[in-house]
Amino acid sequence: KQEVTQIPAALSVPEGENLVLNCSFTDSAIYNLQWFRQDPGKGLTSLLLIQSSQREQTSGRLNASLDKSSGRSTLYIAASQPGDSATYLCAFKDSGSRLTFGEGTQLTVNP
Amino acid sequence: NAGVMQNPRHLVRRRGQEARLRCSPMKGHSHVYWYRQLPEEGLKFMVYLQKENIIDESGMPKERFSAEFPKEGPSILRIQQVVRGDSAAYFCASSPRDANEKLFFGSGTQLSVL
Repeated sequence: KQEVTQIPAALSVPEGENLVLNCSFTDSAIYNLQWFRQDPGKGLTSLLLIQSSQREQTSGRLNASLDKSSGRSTLYIAASQPGDSATYLCAFKDSGSRLTFGEGTQLTVNP
Repeated sequence: NAGVMQNPRHLVRRRGQEARLRCSPMKGHSHVYWYRQLPEEGLKFMVYLQKENIIDESGMPKERFSAEFPKEGPSILRIQQVVRGDSAAYFCASSPRDANEKLFFGSGTQLSVL
């Protein structure tokens, strides 16, 4: 059974700091991995999708990496802003149809 | 191009009643997924549908829950004889072709069972 773990569960940083969110998974038969952002009362917004053949993806201040051999992915946020405050979720996908989600990291960026 | 639309946003039901949750996928998307987020838990897959077909329902509880995605109209997640443990946020997602692509999520329906 696939398990996805996110560390830390919560993180509070001052504005402008660079930060790293961690995601680990137990099943190496990964197809792709997605990072999402969830704001209170709203749905999930897909941030980055990394295919199993890729090592990283970048979008603006965000960079996600994937290391299949160690079962880890990281989301790097550069120059954090208060608007980045949200819960960040990683989701593992194998060859089936479902995403397996971690429980998220709740990020607070303080002005 | 509107995103994934879910309604209602909030639904309150008494124990034993039926709950119907609706999801209209993004325009051009023919694949719909339902996920449930229980309090203090992560999102869990429930069911994957294409038009008029259930592709994978391995995450659906065996009783009281059903889903459909008719040829015309929105996808419906139906919960019969609701119990307090059904209280959760139910999210719908859609994709253009298959589950290997990026999923686009709706804002969810918060179901509260009294």
